[in-house]
Amino acid sequence: GPKVLQIPSHQIIDMGQMVTLNCDPVSNHLYFYWYKQILGQQMEFLVNFYNGKVMEKSKLFKDQFSVERPDGSYFTLKIQPTALEDSAVYFCASSVERANNERLFFGHGTKLSVL
Amino acid sequence: GEQVEQRPPHLSVPEGDSAVIICTYTDSATAYFYWYKQEPGAGLQLLMSVFSNVDRKEEQGLTVLLNKKDKQLSLNLTAAHPGDSAVYFCAVSEAGNTRKLIFGLGTTLQVQP
Repeated sequence: GPKVLQIPSHQIIDMGQMVTLNCDPVSNHLYFYWYKQILGQQMEFLVNFYNGKVMEKSKLFKDQFSVERPDGSYFTLKIQPTALEDSAVYFCASSVERANNERLFFGHGTKLSVL
Repeated sequence: GEQVEQRPPHLSVPEGDSAVIICTYTDSATAYFYWYKQEPGAGLQLLMSVFSNVDRKEEQGLTVLLNKKDKQLSLNLTAAHPGDSAVYFCAVSEAGNTRKLIFGLGTTLQVQP
């Protein structure tokens, strides 16, 4: 079936550095999402993105976070600068635009370790 | 805001037995309900979705029950087999905002051969 690919699977960086998480969504999808899961906690919504714009973001989506999808390439989540509490698994998802009951396709996640 | 609790966190059953995972939610206006499966190293795979006007849905050995009175959603795997071993997540979406999912903590299911 359709797949969402996330690159890399694991990223280790020093606190204060910038990191970019990459997501290759399903090709005909128009909505894109990031979710964050801290170890042992629930997966939580960060942001959704459509037509080049952030449509909705949660309080977890700090000022240090940004998303973009330049010219149909990867959908990216950038964190600059990173903090220790950003360590988590970040899941990307995509969906087609549909009125109700949209089916989200998730990637396998990128584990971010901030040291 | 909406709260979702999922239990049990871990479940181990012998092959052929059924496995039941339960989620409770708090917002009676919740419209859509989902069950996802995550195998090691893989993304979340949607197993089933139900709208709030459905009480019961069965597909391929899986049964989802929705009890709106008790705000409870359950997933029953009948005759579980080792390939069902994975982490299972329930999720709900806010009424009027089907693109924002609220997840349970997950249940790690182990089916012993």
